[in-house]
Amino acid sequence: DTAVSQTPKYLVTQMGNDKSIKCEQNLGHDTMYWYKQDSKKFLKIMFSYNNKELIINETVPNRFSPKSPDKAHLNLHINSLELGDSAVYFCASSQRGANYNEQFFGPGTRLTVL
Amino acid sequence: AQTVTQSQPEMSVQEAETVTLSCTYDTSENNYYLFWYKQPPSRQMILVIRQEAYKQQNATENRFSVNFQKAAKSFSLKISDSQLGDTAMYFCAFMKLHTGNQFYFGTGTSLTVIP
Repeated sequence: DTAVSQTPKYLVTQMGNDKSIKCEQNLGHDTMYWYKQDSKKFLKIMFSYNNKELIINETVPNRFSPKSPDKAHLNLHINSLELGDSAVYFCASSQRGANYNEQFFGPGTRLTVL
Repeated sequence: AQTVTQSQPEMSVQEAETVTLSCTYDTSENNYYLFWYKQPPSRQMILVIRQEAYKQQNATENRFSVNFQKAAKSFSLKISDSQLGDTAMYFCAFMKLHTGNQFYFGTGTSLTVIP
């Protein structure tokens, strides 16, 4: 059974378009995250939600808007896509207070902006 | 802000040999967690091993072990009896408590196991 799933796994789109990436976790965790991994493999936190509330919002353009309809889902919507948005986006989840607060990652979504 | 440094962008090791990947971090916190994650070509991030800062004993998971030196802020990963499936990017990560469980990742070390 997939613990953290993301759709789509690959996304190719034109500059200026709006796109969404969906994330779902079936682990019962209360915290979810979005990370961006650039072409040099550097992983950086973008957002974190705890029980549907935003708790971490790093310096990310406001074209990026996370939405959490419930604590099992955290979707990422991106407006007016730019070339520099091309990257792999990872969703992750964890349970606050659980052993080690380990984060479980989804398989990633490779976004290519043409 | 916390920083995590992995000074070895690339490493290679012969199959069945032992390799050590280095990681240092900078923090003023006293209690925190440290992790090593593996990212094979499949792109999936997989937890390898974890350590709580207040535990002096080094964590071990089968062929994987760490050398945690709190005073030196060092957290190296040792892989024994390297296998071809160990070929991957390895990321060191730091997490301080009570901040939304935010992870700070190092820049990664690309490890290649040579047959």
